[in-house]
Amino acid sequence: DGGITQSPKYLFRKEGQNVTLSCEQNLNHDAMYWYRQDPGQGLRLIYYSQIVNDFQKGDIAEGYSVSREKKESFPLTVTSAQKNPTAFYLCASSKQGAGIAGDNEQFFGPGTRLTVL
Amino acid sequence: DQQVKQNSPSLSVQEGRISILNCDYTNSMFDYFLWYKKYPAEGPTFLISISSIKDKNEDGRFTVFLNKSAKHLSLHIVPSQPGDSAVYFCAASGASYDKVIFGPGTSLSVIP
Repeated sequence: DGGITQSPKYLFRKEGQNVTLSCEQNLNHDAMYWYRQDPGQGLRLIYYSQIVNDFQKGDIAEGYSVSREKKESFPLTVTSAQKNPTAFYLCASSKQGAGIAGDNEQFFGPGTRLTVL
Repeated sequence: DQQVKQNSPSLSVQEGRISILNCDYTNSMFDYFLWYKKYPAEGPTFLISISSIKDKNEDGRFTVFLNKSAKHLSLHIVPSQPGDSAVYFCAASGASYDKVIFGPGTSLSVIP
C-alpha cells in the first residue's frame, strides 16, 4: 500500500556530527517537503522540492541540506552548522507543488525525533 | 510575522458537544485552506479543506467555515469524541505560493 516512510524513528547524534534523515514515498508525488516541529510550535518549513533535481529553501534552511536525485526520495542532512538541531522532523509529499490548489493536500510521514547529546 | 494564526493554544470540550477551532490569516492572496490533525509522535493527517470560492465545506462530523472578508476560518466538530483529542493545524496556500503556511496549532482535549 502507498505511503510515506521516514527512518529512523528516533535518532541520537553527538554534537558536531552530521546526520541524514531518510524520507521515501511510493505515492508517485512530484513534490516533497521537510518540516521541523519544536515543542509548542507549529510546523516550520526547512526545504521543499517540486520536481526531481530541484529544491528550494524554506523558512529555516540554515544548517540543513537536501538532495532530490529520485522522485521517491528526499533525504535531509542536518549538519553541524545547525545550532539547535534537537527537534521532531516531518517529511511530506503532495501530488504537485502547493501552488496548485485543490486536491493537493500533503501526506506526512511518521516523523523522526532527533536528539543531540 | 505569522501569516496564519491560531490564537487558542488549547481547548477542552465535553464529549458529545461541539468543538470550534479558529484560525485567522493575514494574506488575502491565500485561496486554499486546509486542516490537519496530529497525534503525539506521529505525522499530521489531512482532515478537510476549503477553497476560497466556497464559504462552507462539510465532511461527516467536520465542517469548515470560511469568512473571506474577516480572513477567518473555523473548524467545527460535532459531536466531539474522545478520539478527536489531538493537535489541529490550520494551513493556507494559494496559486501564488509554492508552499503551504501552517499555523501554530490548537490542542483539543475531548473529555469523556
